Amino acid sequence: KAGVTQTPRYLIKTRGQQVTLSCSPISGHRSVSWYQQTPGQGLQFLFEYFSETQRNKGNFPGRFSGRQFSNSRSEMNVSTLELGDSALYLCASTYGTGGHEQYFGPGTRLTVT
Amino acid sequence: TQLLEQSPQFLSIQEGENLTVYCNSSSVFSSLQWYRQEPGEGPVLLVTVVTGGEVKKLKRLTFQFGDARKDSSLHITAAQPGDTGLYLCAGNLSGNTGKLIFGQGTTLQVKP
Repeated sequence: KAGVTQTPRYLIKTRGQQVTLSCSPISGHRSVSWYQQTPGQGLQFLFEYFSETQRNKGNFPGRFSGRQFSNSRSEMNVSTLELGDSALYLCASTYGTGGHEQYFGPGTRLTVT
Repeated sequence: TQLLEQSPQFLSIQEGENLTVYCNSSSVFSSLQWYRQEPGEGPVLLVTVVTGGEVKKLKRLTFQFGDARKDSSLHITAAQPGDTGLYLCAGNLSGNTGKLIFGQGTTLQVKP
């Protein structure tokens, strides 16, 4: 069974631009969670989607948004990029809603200049 | 304030030594997971513990969930250079959410 895939793997953007990251969960998994990883803050929860509905949201500004499609694929969008948004963005998928076993993708490394 | 305190943050040991990593909180978790992450990659799930007092073994790795489900430990016996990496504990406060709270991580270096 294929793992979680994320595209693109690397991205360089300029301040003020917007970016869209994509995540395809493991086949059959319906829940997708997104995390931001930085050296200073570690891994922080962004949001979780299940059956196309956002179930939870972390403490991030409204510039961070996401959505999930009927095939469980998910996208996250960051508008008006800031230097501090430079990070590794990780998505994780789970079969159900319990979140006990989350399987992570390789991440998208976003650099904002 | 970090909800999950992980210690130590850095550990550099010789091959063959034993080590323990701790993950502590004042909150009760419905489950706790341990992950290992290599540079430039996503975390890889090692184990999930759900029941207070539960002990799970994965080859030379032993994981324990505290009786009160507020803390956990990871013990590695006879560490090998291949064990080098970032170890992360992550807790789930509620069984109905996919939101994981992560510890700061322990960077382990095992020297040959």
